[in-house]
Amino acid sequence: QKEVEQDPGPLSVPEGAIVSLNCTYSNSAFQYFMWYRQYSRKGPELLMYTYSSGNKEDGRFTAQVDKSSKYISLFIRDSQPSDSATYLCAMIGMNTGFQKLVFGTGTRLLVSP
Amino acid sequence: DGGITQSPKYLFRKEGQNVTLSCEQNLNHDAMYWYRQDPGQGLRLIYYSQIVNDFQKGDIAEGYSVSREKKESFPLTVTSAQKNPTAFYLCASSITEQETQYFGPGTRLLVL
Repeated sequence: QKEVEQDPGPLSVPEGAIVSLNCTYSNSAFQYFMWYRQYSRKGPELLMYTYSSGNKEDGRFTAQVDKSSKYISLFIRDSQPSDSATYLCAMIGMNTGFQKLVFGTGTRLLVSP
Repeated sequence: DGGITQSPKYLFRKEGQNVTLSCEQNLNHDAMYWYRQDPGQGLRLIYYSQIVNDFQKGDIAEGYSVSREKKESFPLTVTSAQKNPTAFYLCASSITEQETQYFGPGTRLLVL
C-alpha cells in the first residue's frame, strides 16, 4: 500500500463547477499538508499548505485536512479552464531529523468552457 | 526575481554518456532536492542536501551523483549506470529541510 493515495483521474468538469480533489494517507505522523498545481511540462507550483487539521481558504481554493480519517481535500470554486492541470498532494512529518516530503501521484483536472 | 532555474529544458543522452543537469536558486535556501517524475508514479526523491558541502541519498540514488559546493547550486549528474534515465527531472529548494519546497521548471531527459 502506498503511503499516499490519489485518484489519477482525469476529472472532467464544466466551467463554473465546484471541484473536489482528495488524497488519503496511511502515516499518522504526517502533520503538514500541501497542494501543488502542475501544468503540462512545467514544475509544480505551491497552491496551499495547512498544518494539522482544519480548513484554509485562499480565494477560490479551500484546503481541508481531517487527520482522524487521514483524508485531505482541495476544493476549487467557480472552476476555470485555466485550472486545467494536474494537482499533487504532498505531506510531511514533523519529527526531528530529515523528513521526506511524500507526494501523491496527482489528479488530472480538465475544465471545459 | 527570486526563484529556481533549471537548465537545459530538454537534454538528450547517448548510450554510455554521463550528462549533468543544472539547478540554481537565489532564494537563499539551505536545503535543495532532486526528484524524478515518471507518468503514474509521482515524484521520487533522488538526492537531497540540507547544507553546503553535504548531501544524502534519497530513495532512488543509484546511477546518479550530485555535488553541493555552493549554496545556490545543486547539479545532478545522470551516469551511464542509470539504465532507464528517460524522465522529467525536478529540482526544489526550501529554507530548511522541514519547510515548504519550491520547484524549478524541470528538465526533460531523453535517451537517443
